[in-house]
Amino acid sequence: AQSVAQPEDQVNVAEGNPLTVKCTYSVSGNPYLFWYVQYPNRGLQFLLKYITGDNLVKGSYGFEAEFNKSQTSFHLKKPSALVSDSALYFCAVRDIGSGGYQKVTFGTGTKLQVIP
Amino acid sequence: DAGVTQSPTHLIKTRGQHVTLRCSPISGHKSVSWYQQVLGQGPQFIFQYYEKEERGRGNFPDRFSARQFPNYSSELNVNALLLGDSALYLCASTPRVLTNEKLFFGSGTQLSVL
Repeated sequence: AQSVAQPEDQVNVAEGNPLTVKCTYSVSGNPYLFWYVQYPNRGLQFLLKYITGDNLVKGSYGFEAEFNKSQTSFHLKKPSALVSDSALYFCAVRDIGSGGYQKVTFGTGTKLQVIP
Repeated sequence: DAGVTQSPTHLIKTRGQHVTLRCSPISGHKSVSWYQQVLGQGPQFIFQYYEKEERGRGNFPDRFSARQFPNYSSELNVNALLLGDSALYLCASTPRVLTNEKLFFGSGTQLSVL
């Protein structure tokens, strides 16, 4: 089964500083990886995805992620953090179940706190 | 265009009761998936429906059931509620059963079981 791990429950960063939210994955075959963000009492919003191609993926709101096959990592990054980036971030991997259905497996989430 | 809509937004039930949650997908999307998000955890897959048929089921007891209607909207039903069923229930839609694209999520239904 596919899985992702987010080793940090919370990341604190000062406004204007670069941020990194870590994710490692375990898959058989080619990974289909995603990052989603969740604001309080809201559903999940898509940030970016890696399917194939360039290892540096650019997404919404200035976020990017670096896919590293040798380290099985897919870390989320942003050059300059904003207070409004404070939210819960989920790494996720797409899996295909027997019979051809799709499910997405999410990590446990990392709370990002940007300090003014 | 409207996004994925879920109703109700909040619900309070007592143990043993039954609950029905509703979801309307994005227009043109034929697949609906349900996820359960317990506080402090990531969402967990419950079901995927496509063209009114259940295509996949996660590791949830038979108390959980769902269906999809001809207009592609969906209902999630939970019987004999337990305290542990308290969670945010998220609905997501996609155009097809398999896609490389993102899931489009609704804002969820917050279920509290007392």
